[in-house]
Amino acid sequence: DAKTTQPTSMDCAEGRAANLPCNHSTISGNEYVYWYRQIHSQGPQYIIHGLKNNETNEMASLIITEDRKSSTLILPHATLRDTAVYYCIVRKHNDMRFGAGTRLTVKP
Amino acid sequence: ETGVTQSPTHLIKTRGQQVTLRCSSQSGHNTVSWYQQALGQGPQFIFQYYREEENGRGNFPPRFSGLQFPNYSSELNVNALELDDSALYLCASSLGQGVYEQYFGPGTRLTVT
Repeated sequence: DAKTTQPTSMDCAEGRAANLPCNHSTISGNEYVYWYRQIHSQGPQYIIHGLKNNETNEMASLIITEDRKSSTLILPHATLRDTAVYYCIVRKHNDMRFGAGTRLTVKP
Repeated sequence: ETGVTQSPTHLIKTRGQQVTLRCSSQSGHNTVSWYQQALGQGPQFIFQYYREEENGRGNFPPRFSGLQFPNYSSELNVNALELDDSALYLCASSLGQGVYEQYFGPGTRLTVT
């Protein structure tokens, strides 16, 4: 599975959009990009995934560059409850290879 | 719809002992994956079970073993516990063995002394 690189931490003001970047320059054609988040003391929570096209659901939007070497998770209106560690994962096999993720802190 | 549940919530064991952790998958899900999460790190994949068969394994020694039952619930067994096995053990269920949303339980916190 391709390796991912994410910033260690980010801050975002409450009500503003949170844009979380992820680099996956070695991604191969059949590997999906997944995003999960983990709020303190809880199990990870699925957010969104995509292959080539941009995706949107009730939680977030996923923007994947045309060359697929990077992606951005967008939380359109961040709330204090969005404070969590966000994991970007690239996978094609049965396992999810979590890295260290980005610690997003939403501030009032 | 019942989510993923795990038991026990917390557990303290002594080095060299054996432990069994349990997971009930979300209703209708036939695939269970187990992860180990050390403090401050992301979850690490241990193995996956699909329809009662092991269906992929991470870089964990054979003393980590598992089982899936006909109702798709699962157990994780760890023999000869070591201090480094202290971690949060997470179970995730999904529908199918390929691409998929995985639904995680709250985890079991294992402390080995």
